[in-house]
Amino acid sequence: EVQLLESGGGSVQPGGSLRLSCAVSGFTFSSYAMSWVRQAPGKGLAWVSTISGSGGSTDYADSVKGRFTISRDNSKNTLYLQMNSLRAEDTAVYYCAKDLVWGSWDGAFDIWGQGTMVTVSS
Amino acid sequence: EIVLTQSPGTLSLSPGERATLSCRASQTVSSSYLAWYQQKPGQAPRLLIYGASSRATGIPDRFSGSGSGTDFTLTISRLEPEDFAVYYCQQYGSSPYTFGQGTKLEIK
Repeated sequence: EVQLLESGGGSVQPGGSLRLSCAVSGFTFSSYAMSWVRQAPGKGLAWVSTISGSGGSTDYADSVKGRFTISRDNSKNTLYLQMNSLRAEDTAVYYCAKDLVWGSWDGAFDIWGQGTMVTVSS
Repeated sequence: EIVLTQSPGTLSLSPGERATLSCRASQTVSSSYLAWYQQKPGQAPRLLIYGASSRATGIPDRFSGSGSGTDFTLTISRLEPEDFAVYYCQQYGSSPYTFGQGTKLEIK
């Protein structure tokens, strides 16, 4: 069974840092691009970042560029999101999501984790 | 950035009726890279449609997608009780990937 399990969320003060993890099982992790998508309380979905299967290519939303870093460890089947200089507007549920297409960077997300909540508040 | 506008914001229908949800893009969506997701309260989104009209694995055939260019539609032919949820469209043809604001499908 394909599973994505996020962890690392919590409460942090503005300007602080958090590292999210997404442990993956049930598919060949290194063959798929992976992404982070967030959802502020009561709001819609917003794409945050994507990383290629090899980890060699990344892309970011302008709102997080320079503050967030996506990475992956294919030997550990784990995706990461390092979040620095956090702002109140970063408060959201963060989902990791698997790309639909094997061996490519597609952008449709067929499997999602259950999400982890990040709250940025003083 | 491609802005996606979904309409209506809320759709009130009864089980058994047909639902038509619209997604309009501010620019042409490249190669019909348009997806639809369903989200129920407290749950992660679920992929329904990709490539504008292809159903994802396990999605019932009462769900269908159509459209190209800037205008896309999700149709649910006969609503089941479990279909009442929020639906989002997403374009993934160009970065940044963007989502519509969502359409809430509620029971009338």
